[in-house]
Amino acid sequence: DTAVSQTPKYLVTQMGNDKSIKCEQNLGHDTMYWYKQDSKKFLKIMFSYNNKELIINETVPNRFSPKSPDKAHLNLHINSLELGDSAVYFCASSQVGGGNYGYTFGSGTRLTVV
Amino acid sequence: AQRVTQPEKLLSVFKGAPVELKCNYSYSGSPELFWYVQYSRQRLQLLLRHISRESIKGFTADLNKGETSFHLKKPFAQEEDSAMYYCALSGTTDSWGKLQFGAGTQVVVTP
Repeated sequence: DTAVSQTPKYLVTQMGNDKSIKCEQNLGHDTMYWYKQDSKKFLKIMFSYNNKELIINETVPNRFSPKSPDKAHLNLHINSLELGDSAVYFCASSQVGGGNYGYTFGSGTRLTVV
Repeated sequence: AQRVTQPEKLLSVFKGAPVELKCNYSYSGSPELFWYVQYSRQRLQLLLRHISRESIKGFTADLNKGETSFHLKKPFAQEEDSAMYYCALSGTTDSWGKLQFGAGTQVVVTP
């Protein structure tokens, strides 16, 4: 039973399109995150939600909009896709409070914009 | 501001040789430090947390507050250790468990 699942695994789309990536966790964690891994394998946080509330919003273009319908889901919607958005996007969750126990990551969504 | 530095982009070692991955951090408070591993095209997995002081897959890491380091070590590298390794820091006073990752070190173990 997958703890953090992302769909789709691969996404190839044209510039200018709008796309969504979904993430679900069944660990009962209260905090979820989106990270971007670029072509040089560098990982950078984009967003974090705690109990459906946005708590971290790094300097990410407005074209990226996260949505958390409940604490087990955190979706990422991207408008007007650009070539530079090509990357692997990782969802993660954690139980925060009383220390950081580390993240559980999803398997990633490889987005290719052509 | 918090920062994590992994000075080596690539580390190539022979099977059976010791391996050490360097990680230095910058944080004004008391950090929580982690090592994550990413095997080829797979998800990142937690390898070690400094507060648990355990050894996983033969790897250990000691937090040295004086040198602000959290180097990862293994006495005898195996071919299956070939992967990308990330050092990560979570500030105890900042918000919500945000993890700051280093740039990563690619380890290649050759037979």
